[in-house]
Amino acid sequence: NAGVMQNPRHLVRRRGQEARLRCSPMKGHSHVYWYRQLPEEGLKFMVYLQKENIIDESGMPKERFSAEFPKEGPSILRIQQVVRGDSAAYFCASSQSQVHTGELFFGEGSRLTVL
Amino acid sequence: TQLLEQSPQFLSIQEGENLTVYCNSSSVFSSLQWYRQEPGEGPVLLVTVVTGGEVKKLKRLTFQFGDARKDSSLHITAAQPGDTGLYLCAGENTGRRALTFGSGTRLQVQP
Repeated sequence: NAGVMQNPRHLVRRRGQEARLRCSPMKGHSHVYWYRQLPEEGLKFMVYLQKENIIDESGMPKERFSAEFPKEGPSILRIQQVVRGDSAAYFCASSQSQVHTGELFFGEGSRLTVL
Repeated sequence: TQLLEQSPQFLSIQEGENLTVYCNSSSVFSSLQWYRQEPGEGPVLLVTVVTGGEVKKLKRLTFQFGDARKDSSLHITAAQPGDTGLYLCAGENTGRRALTFGSGTRLQVQP
């Protein structure tokens, strides 16, 4: 049973370009969470999605960031017109049900570097 | 805003020593989880505590949830180099649908 798969593992973009990060949850998991981690810091919640629905996007900047989890295919975190401050590791996690004493399974992260 | 503060931020000890890391908040959490993250990887769940005052043991690791469910501690006995990593606590509140993570304690165990 494959774990949470994220790609790309590393992504380099110049300021103003777009970054697309993909996340395939574990088989049977319909809840996906995106977190951002800056060096030497903890994880900051960005967005929580279920299939075709955004449940909570309170941690995601209103501009330039968007997320989706279509009926078919991976969840995608999209960052438009990237700036240097977007450089971070972006982690996706999935769960079988809404987090409540359940386990979040994390991917290995996508590391975005903005030049 | 719910905040989880972890202390210490960094800890470097010798193999065989004991240590305790703390996770504190002014908010009440319905459950609290501890994760360990190694460089270049995602966090991996170690334990979930749910009941105030609950103590759970995982080999040399002992986790405690505060009576008021606002704080937690992780105690490691006879630390080993394999314990090196970033330890993260994460709290769940029924009013919010995602985990809130602490800033982490980076532990280095020297052989």
